[in-house]
Amino acid sequence: AQKVTQAQTEISVVEKEDVTLDCVYETRDTTYYLFWYKQPPSGELVFLIRRNSFDEQNEISGRYSWNFQKSTSSFNFTITASQVVDSAVYFCALSEAGSWGKLQFGAGTQVVVTP
Amino acid sequence: GAGVSQSPSNKVTEKGKDVELRCDPISGHTALYWYRQSLGQGLEFLIYFQGNSAPDKSGLPSDRFSAERTGGSVSTLTIQRTQQEDSAVYLCASSLDGAVRNTEAFFGQGTRLTVV
Repeated sequence: AQKVTQAQTEISVVEKEDVTLDCVYETRDTTYYLFWYKQPPSGELVFLIRRNSFDEQNEISGRYSWNFQKSTSSFNFTITASQVVDSAVYFCALSEAGSWGKLQFGAGTQVVVTP
Repeated sequence: GAGVSQSPSNKVTEKGKDVELRCDPISGHTALYWYRQSLGQGLEFLIYFQGNSAPDKSGLPSDRFSAERTGGSVSTLTIQRTQQEDSAVYLCASSLDGAVRNTEAFFGQGTRLTVV
C-alpha cells in the first residue's frame, strides 16, 4: 500500500506565483520522519527538509515553507514567488521506526514554472 | 568530487545479460542505499547497508538482484539475466550514518539502465 500520496502529478505556474505541493502520509508509528526532496532535470535528488513527528512547527527557509499537520497526516510544501529554477519534480518521503534507513517516496509532483 | 559517484551513467544491455552498477559513496559515510526509479513504479527502495550490519535487502524485487559493499565503501549492484522491466534509473545514496532521521542522504546522479 502506498504510504505517501502526492495527488498532484503536475503543476504549472507563471513565474512569481506561489505553488503548494500536497503530501499525505500513512503510518501507525508515533515516531517517524518526513522529508522533501527536489529532483531537477539533472536527475540528482536534492534534500530540502527533514521533520520529525513531534515537531509540528511550520518551517520557512527563504522562499520555501512547510506546513506539517498531524491531524490530517499532511506535510505540504509551498514555494513562494516561484522562479524558473524551481522547475523540477518534488518528492515527499517517509521514514518509520524500525527501518530508519529506508525512505518511502511518494510519486512526485512535477512543477513547471514558465517566465 | 565530493559527491556520490555512480558509473556508468548510461548502460544499454541485451535481455538475458548480467550487468553491474557501481556506486562510490561520499568518503566517511557509513550508510549506503540503492533505489530504483522507473516510470511505472516511481522511486523504490532496493537495499540499504549500514556499517558492518547485515544489509536490509527487503526491497530487492527478485533473486536476480544482489548487491555488495566492499570494505565499507564502494558498492556494486548486480542484476542477473536482465529483463526489460529492469529498465530504470538506479540511484545510489549515502549518509553519515544509517539513521536518515539524523543525517541527510546524498544521492548520486544515477545509472540509466536500458534492457533491449
